[in-house]
Amino acid sequence: GAVVSQHPSWVICKSGTSVKIECRSLDFQATTMFWYRQFPKQSLMLMATSNEGSKATYEQGVEKDKFLINHASLTLSTLTVTSAHPEDSSFYICSARDLRDPTDTQYFGPGTRLTVL
Amino acid sequence: DQQVKQNSPSLSVQEGRISILNCDYTNSMFDYFLWYKKYPAEGPTFLISISSIKDKNEDGRFTVFLNKSAKHLSLHIVPSQPGDSAVYFCAASSNFGNEKLTFGTGTRLTIIP
Repeated sequence: GAVVSQHPSWVICKSGTSVKIECRSLDFQATTMFWYRQFPKQSLMLMATSNEGSKATYEQGVEKDKFLINHASLTLSTLTVTSAHPEDSSFYICSARDLRDPTDTQYFGPGTRLTVL
Repeated sequence: DQQVKQNSPSLSVQEGRISILNCDYTNSMFDYFLWYKKYPAEGPTFLISISSIKDKNEDGRFTVFLNKSAKHLSLHIVPSQPGDSAVYFCAASSNFGNEKLTFGTGTRLTIIP
């Protein structure tokens, strides 16, 4: 079946540094990828929708300059947390969807745990 | 390897009848399970959850059943309403919900008026 990977699975960084998280669709082409942040009590916040070859669409309240998203190919999207602060510590989850799939199935990545010291 | 599986990509149910969405998992470390509902162009929203110490949790029209021995859970919606038409994701976590979520691929539920 379709698999989405994320790298790294966990990262610890110092406050003020930048961290890049990769999301890859391993055996299908993902024209659209989504980035989520997981909050306490498992609530998920959609941060942005990443479309291959175009700019990401950010949700209201999400800082574009802080959370840089690049979808350079049909199998890779990256999220860069710039100038990370402790409040950015969270799980970041991506999902991928092939628009040619009429069922709109989304494949979620395993998540990346970010800890900012 | 898909640790959380929703084997039915779609389901159609008559309005007023019961909708049953199924989910299977393979990781025995999972002890907290959730259902999310997702409308197009929106992120998933939390619907209902269940801890492994229970086998049933009910919230209004929504009931989640957990069968630990079968590693299976289901979401029952009764009566089904047109507004229930959406994609439903099953998710699992360990450490009683304090770890990251692992999602199924979703089931598109269509309620037929």
